[in-house]
Amino acid sequence: ETGVTQSPTHLIKTRGQQVTLRCSSQSGHNTVSWYQQALGQGPQFIFQYYREEENGRGNFPPRFSGLQFPNYSSELNVNALELDDSALYLCASALPGGDTQYFGPGTRLTVL
Amino acid sequence: EDQVTQSPEALRLQEGESSSLNCSYTVSGLRGLFWYRQDPGKGPEFLFTLYSAGEEKEKERLKATLTKKESFLHITAPKPEDSATYLCASSKLDAGNKLTFGGGTRVLVKP
Repeated sequence: ETGVTQSPTHLIKTRGQQVTLRCSSQSGHNTVSWYQQALGQGPQFIFQYYREEENGRGNFPPRFSGLQFPNYSSELNVNALELDDSALYLCASALPGGDTQYFGPGTRLTVL
Repeated sequence: EDQVTQSPEALRLQEGESSSLNCSYTVSGLRGLFWYRQDPGKGPEFLFTLYSAGEEKEKERLKATLTKKESFLHITAPKPEDSATYLCASSKLDAGNKLTFGGGTRVLVKP
């Protein structure tokens, strides 16, 4: 069984640019969530997708947006990057009706 | 506002020295309390889910317990490979799978 995968592993962008991060959920999982984890802190919930619709959003501005595709893979898009967007971005997936989320390895984004 | 607080922030243990990590939560309508392990630069690895006060779960040297206000992760006779950051998170009823995380406890086990 393949776990959650994310790409790319690392990314360096400059302030004002746009970025797209990708996630493939674990087999059979139809719910995908994205989290931002700053250095030395716990992950913060960005949003969740279920059946291709946004199903809950944390305290993040609209320049953070996402998509979920029919195969349950997902993208996180961030526009107008700011220095504070530098973080580890984590994707997590869950089974239909399941409570437990399984995390991918993350994408380390550095904004210069 | 829902809140999850972990203590201590960091813990240094000698190999074999048992200890406990604390996770205090203030959540209206708790659905589940989760423990994850995270190695540097990697994603969190699922350990346990607890649903009701009095529940306990074990895995190797780790045991998680839950009360109405706190959860504890007990590490018995730790080994250096138990060194990691341990994260606690809560989910709410009627809030999907959204997890609210604490800040984590960094555990270092020295041989």
